[in-house]
Amino acid sequence: DADVTQTPRNRITKTGKRIMLECSQTKGHDRMYWYRQDPGLGLRLIYYSFDVKDINKGEISDGYSVSRQAQAKFSLSLESAIPNQTALYFCATSDPQGGDGYTFGSGTRLTVV
Amino acid sequence: AQSVTQLGSHVSVSEGALVLLRCNYSSSVPPYLFWYVQYPNQGLQLLLKYTSAATLVKGINGFEAEFKKSETSFHLTKPSAHMSDAAEYFCAVTPASGGGADGLTFGKGTHLIIQP
Repeated sequence: DADVTQTPRNRITKTGKRIMLECSQTKGHDRMYWYRQDPGLGLRLIYYSFDVKDINKGEISDGYSVSRQAQAKFSLSLESAIPNQTALYFCATSDPQGGDGYTFGSGTRLTVV
Repeated sequence: AQSVTQLGSHVSVSEGALVLLRCNYSSSVPPYLFWYVQYPNQGLQLLLKYTSAATLVKGINGFEAEFKKSETSFHLTKPSAHMSDAAEYFCAVTPASGGGADGLTFGKGTHLIIQP
């Protein structure tokens, strides 16, 4: 099994719909992250969580919300999806110092039509 | 604050030639530096990392990178390119202090093309 699992892998949704992307990890780390990848822009941080009770906004949090259900689970929601949220979304987890690198999931490709 | 600049959104090399992907960083505190690779339709895989030990870091698939503080650089190299190296490469930085408040900051990526 993968260290970080994201579901779904692909999703097409309509403008205005609510959608949730789910992430679970087996690394046992407290820190989890949601990133968005757009062509030519690299990856940008949406939200991050250092433990179940600690949620923080990243660089591009507008239009998104998150929920940390447990140490191993961190979900990302789009309350009312819009076309410019079409992107590849990655979940990641890291050790407390970050020195071991971040472990990424395989990504969720979201298309908003 | 931290940032990463990758010079060249696309780099093309011939099979067997030297691969050089450039990365410069800006960080107000000592950094940890990483290179990730993304193959088509896949997630990100860690190639190598610098965490304030040896400045020349060896990674997987024959890649290596050298941390040069004076130049604020962490360029990725491979002596001989292989067709399987074709992918997107990302340089990333995070503060070594471990606060992690900024997460991992990525460059915009370099698409490596291998010519037969």
